[in-house]
Amino acid sequence: QSALTQPASVSGSPGQSITISCTGTSSDVGSYNLVSWYQQHPGKAPKVMIYEGSKRPSGVSNRFSGSKSGNTASLTISGLQAEDEADYYCGSYAGSSIWVFGGGTKLTVL
Amino acid sequence: QVQLQESGPGLVKPSETLSLTCTVSGGSINRNYWSWIRQPPGKGLEWIGFISYRGGTNYNPSLKSRVTISVDTSKNQFSLKLNSVTAADTAVYYCARYYCTNDICYYFDYWGQGTLVTVSS
Repeated sequence: QSALTQPASVSGSPGQSITISCTGTSSDVGSYNLVSWYQQHPGKAPKVMIYEGSKRPSGVSNRFSGSKSGNTASLTISGLQAEDEADYYCGSYAGSSIWVFGGGTKLTVL
Repeated sequence: QVQLQESGPGLVKPSETLSLTCTVSGGSINRNYWSWIRQPPGKGLEWIGFISYRGGTNYNPSLKSRVTISVDTSKNQFSLKLNSVTAADTAVYYCARYYCTNDICYYFDYWGQGTLVTVSS
């Protein structure tokens, strides 16, 4: 099972919007609506921001949104804030009770 | 509020067995699924495996031959054993709740703070 593919880094200025892609295959992202996104600040545990592709857990800002097209899922953060600077990981169910994560994307707020 | 706490040795010798325990508080370990995830220093997340409240397990194929996850419902704990470790197993190990309903699993909603395990002689 290969890791999902994410860009190593993205950046944006405060107030702008950025999108992070997460590319898998027809065996994982493309087959299931079970992509989730995690935010991780340095030295901290990951925190789920999006699940089932586009749903937000209670307490997560509506500036975070998710979508999917084919084998690629995307996380969009609008109205960038300094506190959004973190690493972001996608993850997906990959069938046969297997889970796979992406390699992670470092978001820099300029 | 569910809380998870990892515990175990921070240093393991090569070829030996890494053993960690996750204690769950604020909720029952029953009727839930539980997972281990690791993160080598400066690298990404790697799913290790999960155990259901019924004791069913599944593991990352790349680690399957070396991993065992077990649960002790009487102590509200679940555990990880990884044998024949090498330096490549050095990582922060997280325990997490794998949110599942009707045997469909969606995401990891509660995480422990993580514990660094170093493999070195």
